[in-house]
Amino acid sequence: KNEVEQSPQNLTAQEGEFITINCSYSVGISALHWLQQHPGGGIVSLFMLSSGKKKHGRLIATINIQEKHSSLHITASHPRDSAVYICAASNEKLTFGTGTRLTIIP
Amino acid sequence: DGGITQSPKYLFRKEGQNVTLSCEQNLNHDAMYWYRQDPGQGLRLIYYSQIVNDFQKGDIAEGYSVSREKKESFPLTVTSAQKNPTAFYLCASSTRGFGYGYTFGSGTRLTVV
Repeated sequence: KNEVEQSPQNLTAQEGEFITINCSYSVGISALHWLQQHPGGGIVSLFMLSSGKKKHGRLIATINIQEKHSSLHITASHPRDSAVYICAASNEKLTFGTGTRLTIIP
Repeated sequence: DGGITQSPKYLFRKEGQNVTLSCEQNLNHDAMYWYRQDPGQGLRLIYYSQIVNDFQKGDIAEGYSVSREKKESFPLTVTSAQKNPTAFYLCASSTRGFGYGYTFGSGTRLTVV
């Protein structure tokens, strides 16, 4: 069993829909990261959080430390949000999930 | 603008040849990392360096080598000993240690034929 599990693996939605991607981890962490990987391969760091909730534009990340679970939400989804979203748990190193491939259809 | 530059973006090599992937950062970050990404798997750590002239093996270091002679540069050599070198390689840097202020490069896709 991976230390960081993401669900779903693939997600296709219509433009405008509210999107939720989930991440569960089994290790103790100092922080949880959400990353975005575009088709070209480059990765952008979206959020780093250790408690509560963070918001940036249409993106919201939440974490529940007791349940070892984090979610990434996208409101009013747009085709440009299509990418692979990766969560990563950091303690003495970063452990990555396998990613969720999101496709937003116009 | 500050960032990480990886070159080249695509690289083809014949089996049995060593190849070096470049990673340069102008962020003044102390720590640098190399990760390998394969389809259906999370990124896996190959090597990392937290200060100049020092580096540590990650989870899958066999068949790879690195150097850290300058703070801004952390090249990765994929040697002929690496059994399955075809993969996507990502370099990253951070302000201090794992989990702090990570910045990723755009990656190099290596294909060995």
